[in-house]
Amino acid sequence: KAGVTQTPRYLIKTRGQQVTLSCSPISGHRSVSWYQQTPGQGLQFLFEYFSETQRNKGNFPGRFSGRQFSNSRSEMNVSTLELGDSALYLCASSLGESRSPLHFGNGTRLTVT
Amino acid sequence: AQSVTQPDIHITVSEGASLELRCNYSYGATPYLFWYVQSPGQGLQLLLKYFSGDTLVQGIKGFEAEFKRSQSSFNLRKPSVHWSDAAEYFCAVVKSGGSYIPTFGRGTSLIVHP
Repeated sequence: KAGVTQTPRYLIKTRGQQVTLSCSPISGHRSVSWYQQTPGQGLQFLFEYFSETQRNKGNFPGRFSGRQFSNSRSEMNVSTLELGDSALYLCASSLGESRSPLHFGNGTRLTVT
Repeated sequence: AQSVTQPDIHITVSEGASLELRCNYSYGATPYLFWYVQSPGQGLQLLLKYFSGDTLVQGIKGFEAEFKRSQSSFNLRKPSVHWSDAAEYFCAVVKSGGSYIPTFGRGTSLIVHP
């Protein structure tokens, strides 16, 4: 079974630009979650989509948005990039139940200059 | 709100030595508990999980963890560490019957000396 695939692996953007990250979950997984990982803040939950609906949301500004398609693939968008948005963005898929472990992709490393 | 504490930011051990990584959580009921490992440049990988029953659970790569209700702890152990175990380890907690979203600890970085 193929794992979670995130593209691109690396991205360099300048302040004020916008960026879209992509995530393809494991086949059969209907839940996709996004996390921001930084050395200072650790792993922070952005949002979770289940069957094309945002089911849970973390405490991030509206510049961070996402969506999920009918094939469960998900995209995350960050508009008006700030230097502080530089981070590793991780996507994780699961069956979407409390007992379901998360299966993570290798992440997208975003650098904002 | 539930929280997860991993008191040790860094731990250094010699190859072949035993290892224990600590995890404490604050939540009234027994939540679902997980340990994940993150190697450099990789995403997180599930090591093991605990839902109920036997309080000692076995995971991949020779790891085990013990749930202690009285101490609200779920510590990860390995009897003999290999150099390839050097990584970041995360404890995660999910509220049973809750929002499905795990709360992660800040992580413990394991350094292995030859």
